[in-house]
Amino acid sequence: DSGVTQTPKHLITATGQRVTLRCSPRSGDLSVYWYQQSLDQGLQFLIQYYNGEERAKGNILERFSAQQFPDLHSELNLSSLELGDSALYFCASSAQMNTEAFFGQGTRLTVV
Amino acid sequence: DAKTTQPNSMESNEEEPVHLPCNHSTISGTDYIHWYRQLPSQGPEYVIHGLTSNVNNRMASLAIAEDRKSSTLILHRATLRDAAVYYCILRDVIPRGGAQKLVFGQGTRLTINP
Repeated sequence: DSGVTQTPKHLITATGQRVTLRCSPRSGDLSVYWYQQSLDQGLQFLIQYYNGEERAKGNILERFSAQQFPDLHSELNLSSLELGDSALYFCASSAQMNTEAFFGQGTRLTVV
Repeated sequence: DAKTTQPNSMESNEEEPVHLPCNHSTISGTDYIHWYRQLPSQGPEYVIHGLTSNVNNRMASLAIAEDRKSSTLILHRATLRDAAVYYCILRDVIPRGGAQKLVFGQGTRLTINP
């Protein structure tokens, strides 16, 4: 158990809908990262937060947004969902920005 | 971001040592070499990291070339549970622009034969 909790574990929704994925980092970790992993694809870095502030952006679509709250948990919002958004979404946390990251078990999103 | 190059796949036998190579010829002086692995149906897992000297922990050893342009992750006695995709990643110890990306490449898919 990495200490990073992601909810829900599975999510099935229809095209055009909006969903929110939640991540609770390890206790005390200030940095949170979000990744997308499609079938047979690598881990695509989406976005990173540190102590509530956005610090780095990767290949995140404009339909996607995220935030980190004062209690350090983070949410990834995906809107106007398309079939191609079906993927595993991982959250990771680290104590500081340059220390090792610990990953959650992921949320499997299926868009039908 | 400095780039790493790894073989797409490797195969080894159970209870034998495994050496996973990584080339990073454009590494900068402040880049740490990190290794993560992803077991099937799981999130990635931190394995080890180092800067210049060789490093050991309970999971693996990291051997870093003297010029730091390559490194090798060593699993001393592979088990079936070590079958995973292994990622070699460079992370700058200094946050540039306040950011510290953790960017994964394609990694090496390691198969362990019983």
